[in-house]
Amino acid sequence: QSALTQPASVSGSPGQSITISCTGTSSDVGGYNYVSWYQQHPGKAPKLMIYDVSNRPSGVSDRFSGSKSGNTASLTISGLQAEDEADYYCSSYTSSSTYVFGSGTKVTVL
Amino acid sequence: EVQLVESGGGSVQPGGSLRLSCAASGFTFSRYWMHWVRQPPGKGLVWVSRINTDGSSTSYADSVKGRFTISRDNAKNTLYLQMNSLRAEDTAVYYCAREFGNGQSWGQGTMVTVSS
Repeated sequence: QSALTQPASVSGSPGQSITISCTGTSSDVGGYNYVSWYQQHPGKAPKLMIYDVSNRPSGVSDRFSGSKSGNTASLTISGLQAEDEADYYCSSYTSSSTYVFGSGTKVTVL
Repeated sequence: EVQLVESGGGSVQPGGSLRLSCAASGFTFSRYWMHWVRQPPGKGLVWVSRINTDGSSTSYADSVKGRFTISRDNAKNTLYLQMNSLRAEDTAVYYCAREFGNGQSWGQGTMVTVSS
């Protein structure tokens, strides 16, 4: 199972909005509404930010939103803040009853 | 408070074995599917395996199939990962995670190093 494709890096200034893409196939992202997004700061465990494409867990800022179109899912961070600087990963359920993560995106706040 | 604490990591030679444990507390362990995820040094997250609530159904990434075995003891609130025939490419921080959707929680990870 190949990793889902994410841009290696995305950057933005404080207050701006950025979008991270996550491209898979019809056997994973496109076939199921089980796409999640994670934030990971250096040396820390991942933190769930979005589940089931567009749902936010309790306690996650509404500046984070998710969507999906075809085989590509997206995470949008609005009102970018310094604390948002981290690595972001998507994941998807697959037709093999397994899961696959994205390659990861480093978000830099300029 | 939900807590997941991994243990059992360490250094092992290629071809060796290790058993990881994940002690769960703060929730009804037997009601949740559980997963193992790993992260090689400086690299991204990789899903490894998952097990259903009573242990009757498991699945694995192709890279570990036939070498790793996931299991659980609901009486002890503990998840396991038996890792055999270890390779250098298995070197990673191994995380246990509760669920893969709402209600997800992660442990802090345990490091496994496979080197001669």
